[in-house]
Amino acid sequence: AQSVAQPEDQVNVAEGNPLTVKCTYSVSGNPYLFWYVQYPNRGLQFLLKYITGDNLVKGSYGFEAEFNKSQTSFHLKKPSALVSDSALYFCAVRDIGNTPLVFGKGTRLSVIA
Amino acid sequence: NAGVTQTPKFRILKIGQSMTLQCAQDMNHNYMYWYRQDPGMGLKLIYYSVGAGITDKGEVPNGYNVSRSTTEDFPLRLELAAPSQTSVYFCASSYSMGDNYGYTFGSGTRLTVV
Repeated sequence: AQSVAQPEDQVNVAEGNPLTVKCTYSVSGNPYLFWYVQYPNRGLQFLLKYITGDNLVKGSYGFEAEFNKSQTSFHLKKPSALVSDSALYFCAVRDIGNTPLVFGKGTRLSVIA
Repeated sequence: NAGVTQTPKFRILKIGQSMTLQCAQDMNHNYMYWYRQDPGMGLKLIYYSVGAGITDKGEVPNGYNVSRSTTEDFPLRLELAAPSQTSVYFCASSYSMGDNYGYTFGSGTRLTVV
């Protein structure tokens, strides 16, 4: 069965610095990988996805993610953090076949001015 | 605005009471899902549906029931509420199971069982 791990409960970064939110996954076949963001009292919003192709995926709000098959990782990155990026970030994965997404526990990102 | 609508936004139930969480989407998505979100636990799938009349269990279905009589609606039923069902519930929908499309989430229902 597919699974996803987000090893950090909280990430703190100063505004203007680069940020990384980590995600590793486990699937039996080729992975379909997603990042979502949740702002307070809101539902999750889609940020970006990796299905196939270029290992560096660009998404909304200046975020990008790097797929690394050998390390089974899909880390979320942004070159310069904004205070408004402070939110809860979820990594999600699905395996081949018609199965729903499996979500990680989430990582709370705090960007400090 | 197109999207997923959940009602109510907040609800307090007493142990043993029943309620239905409503979810409706107007994007003509075939696939719909119910997740619960608990602090530090991420999202756990309760039930999902691949089309009208078809539902399937997720990771944590015990204590819940669903039905899908139309493409638009996917209500979640709690028959005998327990404190362990205190959570935030999210409904989502998608065009496909996830190959090239993200899920669209509702804004959630915060349920407290006392």
